[in-house]
Amino acid sequence: EVQLVESGGGLVKPGGSLRLSCAASGFAFSSYTMNWVRQGPGEGLEWVSSITSGSSYTYYADSLKGRFITSRDNAKNSLYLQMNNLRVEDTAIYYCARDLFAARGVFYFDYWGQGALVTVSS
Amino acid sequence: IQMTQSPSSLSASVGDTVTITCRASQGINNYLAWYQQKPGKVPKLLIYAASTLQSGVPSRFSGSGSGTDFTLTISGLQPEDFATYYCQQANSFPALTFGGGTKVEIK
Repeated sequence: EVQLVESGGGLVKPGGSLRLSCAASGFAFSSYTMNWVRQGPGEGLEWVSSITSGSSYTYYADSLKGRFITSRDNAKNSLYLQMNNLRVEDTAIYYCARDLFAARGVFYFDYWGQGALVTVSS
Repeated sequence: IQMTQSPSSLSASVGDTVTITCRASQGINNYLAWYQQKPGKVPKLLIYAASTLQSGVPSRFSGSGSGTDFTLTISGLQPEDFATYYCQQANSFPALTFGGGTKVEIK
């Protein structure tokens, strides 16, 4: 069974940092592009970042560049999102999501974690 | 690329056929997905590549379109289909974008 479990969310002050983790199981993690998607309170979905299977390429939403860093450790079946210089508008549930097909990124998301809540407030 | 969904909400009855529209601000070929999200739950992939039904999704869901205009149709709405639906384009990478969502409510 495919499972994605996020951790590391919490309350942080504006300008602070937080690191989210996503632990994957039940599939060949190292073969899949992985993604982060967020959802603000009562809002829609927003793509945050993607990382290819071997970490050769990482991609970010333009609004986040330079503040967020996505990485992965295939030996640990884990995905990470380092969030720096956080702003109030970054408050959201952050989901990790698996790409639909192994070996090639198609950027459709078939499995999602339950999400990690990040609250940025003074 | 901006994705505009319409309507933003609708009311329908069980058994109705419902159509949701998603329009891209520029052509995206058929690189479009539809997701369903129920309150407090994670999104669920329904359709990808505009018209391909994801494994395990009931056949009452269908998708069509190419270029800039796309539709999600639910034929014979069921009680479990009341949810919010999002489109997502995967053509303009790395700038994936979602539509604003369409909430399907019980009439």
